[in-house]
Amino acid sequence: AQSVTQLGSHVSVSEGALVLLRCNYSSSVPPYLFWYVQYPNQGLQLLLKYTSAATLVKGINGFEAEFKKSETSFHLTKPSAHMSDAAEYFCAVSAAPGGGADGLTFGKGTHLIIQP
Amino acid sequence: EPEVTQTPSHQVTQMGQEVILRCVPISNHLYFYWYRQILGQKVEFLVSFYNNEISEKSEIFDDQFSVERPDGSNFTLKIRSTKLEDSAMYFCASSPERIYEQFFGPGTRLTVL
Repeated sequence: AQSVTQLGSHVSVSEGALVLLRCNYSSSVPPYLFWYVQYPNQGLQLLLKYTSAATLVKGINGFEAEFKKSETSFHLTKPSAHMSDAAEYFCAVSAAPGGGADGLTFGKGTHLIIQP
Repeated sequence: EPEVTQTPSHQVTQMGQEVILRCVPISNHLYFYWYRQILGQKVEFLVSFYNNEISEKSEIFDDQFSVERPDGSNFTLKIRSTKLEDSAMYFCASSPERIYEQFFGPGTRLTVL
């Protein structure tokens, strides 16, 4: 069984500041990890994914995440926040590379607020 | 760019009524999924569908739910007799094969009164 915990339902940062969204996972098998973003009134869009290749994963819009097995973490970062980054961010885990037929297990999401 | 579409964007129904939520996955995709998100809670997996049959389903996906791919393009989720607790955002997703990520639609907000 897998689970995901996202620390902080809301994170507020100033424009230009570092963004750090935390995700910890639990998995009985080697995990595949994803970050999705949801803008208002839109579907979930994949930001990046970890599928057992490089532990530092780069995604779209300047985001990256590092897989740390010892810490069971997959935190999402961006060096400099932009107003357009304001959205809901979801971390998800699966036992299969694309989620397979088992579906993704999501965290509760973190609402990122960007202060001007 | 191809995208998953869902209709309607918002559905209001009376408790006990049947609803059908519709999705058009990306055309060359083979795996299809339904998820739901109750307000303020996690996105939860409901069911996956491949080769015209259910591949996996969660414990949420009980006998009140069914899925169908009635033609070559649509993928539907039917809730036979809606309950108040079925009120949620329902997301459809598709994937070209198992090793790819899932592409999500914008969701249908279901409100059961």
